[in-house]
Amino acid sequence: AQTVTQSQPEMSVQEAETVTLSCTYDTSESDYYLFWYKQPPSRQMILVIRQEAYKQQNATENRFSVNFQKAAKSFSLKISDSQLGDAAMYFCAYRSGGSNYKLTFGKGTLLTVNP
Amino acid sequence: GAVVSQHPSWVICKSGTSVKIECRSLDFQATTMFWYRQFPKQSLMLMATSNEGSKATYEQGVEKDKFLINHASLTLSTLTVTSAHPEDSSFYICSALTTGNSPLHFGNGTRLTVT
Repeated sequence: AQTVTQSQPEMSVQEAETVTLSCTYDTSESDYYLFWYKQPPSRQMILVIRQEAYKQQNATENRFSVNFQKAAKSFSLKISDSQLGDAAMYFCAYRSGGSNYKLTFGKGTLLTVNP
Repeated sequence: GAVVSQHPSWVICKSGTSVKIECRSLDFQATTMFWYRQFPKQSLMLMATSNEGSKATYEQGVEKDKFLINHASLTLSTLTVTSAHPEDSSFYICSALTTGNSPLHFGNGTRLTVT
């Protein structure tokens, strides 16, 4: 079974600074997807960014980018120019590339943004 | 974009009663929906996969007779918590899949409190 590990229960960053959230995963599959979801206090799950394992290029979405290291099974999220609205719980998630579409989540990292 | 509506957002019920939670895909057809459970300050744990027109697939350890799932149409899946007890109090979130390569879209969640 696949596992997703987020080793940082909490992180904090100053507004306008950059922060990196860590995520590692364990799988024997070669075809899979990785995601970062954000869950603010409203508890709505919001997709931040996704990465297909077959793509070597790291995904980027505006201020959010990932460092995908397939051999090391690492998938970190970098948030640049942090904003107060970025404060939330961030979950790293794994999904197999076949027809099994269920997500396996890490335990999450609570990000605090200090003004 | 794909919208998933979950209702109710908050429900309080007495121990021993049953509660039904609805998950609707508003602007797309979802052949597959997922039900997650989230305890305070914890991650999302998959309870079951709901497939339109067939029986749900439950994760190990989830009581299928207690958490009844019905996916009778391409836009609606329901989760019924039967004979609820205080330990069933939790946050329940549904998600839906549009196409095989798309990310999951999540509902706003339902906070269940059993007194």
